[in-house]
Amino acid sequence: QQQVKQSPQSLIVQKGGISIINCAYENTAFDYFPWYQQFPGKGPALLIAIRPDVSEKKEGRFTISFNKSAKQFSLHIMDSQPGDSATYFCAASIGGSNYKLTFGKGTLLTVNP
Amino acid sequence: DTEVTQTPKHLVMGMTNKKSLKCEQHMGHRAMYWYKQKAKKPPELMFVYSYEKLSINESVPSRFSPECPNSSLLNLHLHALQPEDSALYLCASSQGVDRDEQYFGPGTRLTVT
Repeated sequence: QQQVKQSPQSLIVQKGGISIINCAYENTAFDYFPWYQQFPGKGPALLIAIRPDVSEKKEGRFTISFNKSAKQFSLHIMDSQPGDSATYFCAASIGGSNYKLTFGKGTLLTVNP
Repeated sequence: DTEVTQTPKHLVMGMTNKKSLKCEQHMGHRAMYWYKQKAKKPPELMFVYSYEKLSINESVPSRFSPECPNSSLLNLHLHALQPEDSALYLCASSQGVDRDEQYFGPGTRLTVT
């Protein structure tokens, strides 16, 4: 019940295209859903996060879509750029104990020029 | 400023050595974390400090010993490590353990020979 399932494992997109990464969860107590971006040899960087009271959040080219009834959330990267090539992790945590981030297994995104 | 710094960037140590990893943040955050990350895997939580006191130990072997000298600093003392302990060690911080937005440092790449 604590799992967060992330797909796809890897993704190749052409420059200018839309990258979509999906995550699904079972535990309905989760109420905070961040996405992290990690470049090789670097630490994860918080990209964008959402709570269940909204269905979508947009920051620049990055959008989180959240479907509470389906227990799914996704990251959309519009106008994908080669500099977006990285590993993306979704995560979830329970309010009041946000120290315990449950991570998805990650998606390796490659954006071809 | 959302910067967490870690030193050293790289560390090679033998199984009989004693070494320490250092983490620092100046965001006024009261929660600090140690994570371990193996290649192509998500980060795994090791320890959580809240207000300079150890609040969570995720069943980590005693050869890893955390220390929080003050609210800005977090150390991880290493002794008698095994080759399988080779990994990227990440430090993170947040405003509190019940608050969102964990910010990660760049990590220390540890190799145990």
